[in-house]
Amino acid sequence: GQQLNQSPQSMFIQEGEDVSMNCTSSSIFNTWLWYKQDPGEGPVLLIALYKAGELTSNGRLTAQFGITRKDSFLNISASIPSDVGIYFCAGQSSNAGNNRKLIWGLGTSLAVNP
Amino acid sequence: NAGVMQNPRHLVRRRGQEARLRCSPMKGHSHVYWYRQLPEEGLKFMVYLQKENIIDESGMPKERFSAEFPKEGPSILRIQQVVRGDSAAYFCASSPFRQGANTGELFFGEGSRLTVL
Repeated sequence: GQQLNQSPQSMFIQEGEDVSMNCTSSSIFNTWLWYKQDPGEGPVLLIALYKAGELTSNGRLTAQFGITRKDSFLNISASIPSDVGIYFCAGQSSNAGNNRKLIWGLGTSLAVNP
Repeated sequence: NAGVMQNPRHLVRRRGQEARLRCSPMKGHSHVYWYRQLPEEGLKFMVYLQKENIIDESGMPKERFSAEFPKEGPSILRIQQVVRGDSAAYFCASSPFRQGANTGELFFGEGSRLTVL
């Protein structure tokens, strides 16, 4: 099925560093969502974006809905050890129809060295 | 307000047995989604249900897998005659909105981890 291109696949950083990850799609999306999955847990919604160009923050996290509507990025500033986990992007295509599923990226695995 | 509840959290089955995974959506949510996640991989959509209806099962294997969301009680994902390749984490998510609605937000349970020996 359709998937988003999410990069990087994994990151290993030092505590205090900033982190950036992104997702791209070949088709136009009308919704972008960013989730975090802690080890052994289910994904938790971090940020939801609904408008092209929208920039939204949630604490140290900032996400943007790309102007072209085909991409989104997530930034984490001043990383801390509890930021460890897998970050997933998910998008909803703007293609017509009542059955528009969320399309998921394969995740970015983040490790933070204290 | 309780979140999405899944049980069991861990399930061990021998090849050929049946696995039943249960999901109670958040209060007020009538839309349920099941996903499968293999180790070190992303989430794979399986099925989308509303009360008493399967809306989209395009991600569900054609054989051995079935899902239901009865009028009363939790949603059930049933895997018959399990094989080792069925070992995975199965996540349930719920939403108050129909699939395709603009919000798209899903609320996930903690998952059920199936191990097939």
